[in-house]
Amino acid sequence: DGGITQSPKYLFRKEGQNVTLSCEQNLNHDAMYWYRQDPGQGLRLIYYSQIVNDFQKGDIAEGYSVSREKKESFPLTVTSAQKNPTAFYLCASSPENYGYTFGSGTRLTVV
Amino acid sequence: KNQVEQSPQSLIILEGKNCTLQCNYTVSPFSNLRWYKQDTGRGPVSLTIMTFSENTKSNGRYTATLDADTKQSSLHITASQLSDSASYICVVSAIKDEGTYKYIFGTGTRLKVLA
Repeated sequence: DGGITQSPKYLFRKEGQNVTLSCEQNLNHDAMYWYRQDPGQGLRLIYYSQIVNDFQKGDIAEGYSVSREKKESFPLTVTSAQKNPTAFYLCASSPENYGYTFGSGTRLTVV
Repeated sequence: KNQVEQSPQSLIILEGKNCTLQCNYTVSPFSNLRWYKQDTGRGPVSLTIMTFSENTKSNGRYTATLDADTKQSSLHITASQLSDSASYICVVSAIKDEGTYKYIFGTGTRLKVLA
């Protein structure tokens, strides 16, 4: 079955630590996205990539980094520079303008 | 400014009842509008997608309407079930100058269906 897989489902980060969230899709979609979801707020775009080896900053890119070495994979690294990383992170992919297929999300908590 | 506003913020209904969720947008130029259902702790799942020329689209007990003139959409849920308890998110797609697309998310309506 085609789909988009995020891992891990839950992740705990210590202060000053970098962590990487995985996102893999086998839908052959060109575009992939990372969103952050906080309670009572809409999804906010962190980074997006429309093609391999290229990515663009979204609205809240500070403290995050990404790579797009393969079409299927778009990992997100939450760096120590992100001062408030506790949130629910959603990865999505899409063919051109047909809306998203979302992953099941990763809940990141700072301990 | 491109914005998507949803109302109500939260809603509680009894099982079997109908309800309607609202989405107003100021997105331009408009491309399409999609309703998603998001269960707690899960990723959103698409319910419907509507383009400029479509007024109504149904998916089982879910019926979405779109009025492109007033820039309003609604999602009507018929004969609600306990499993309808979720957040419902309205997403509007706008065409950017370079021909790519930007997605603007509403903050969602949290629906709780009680037995």
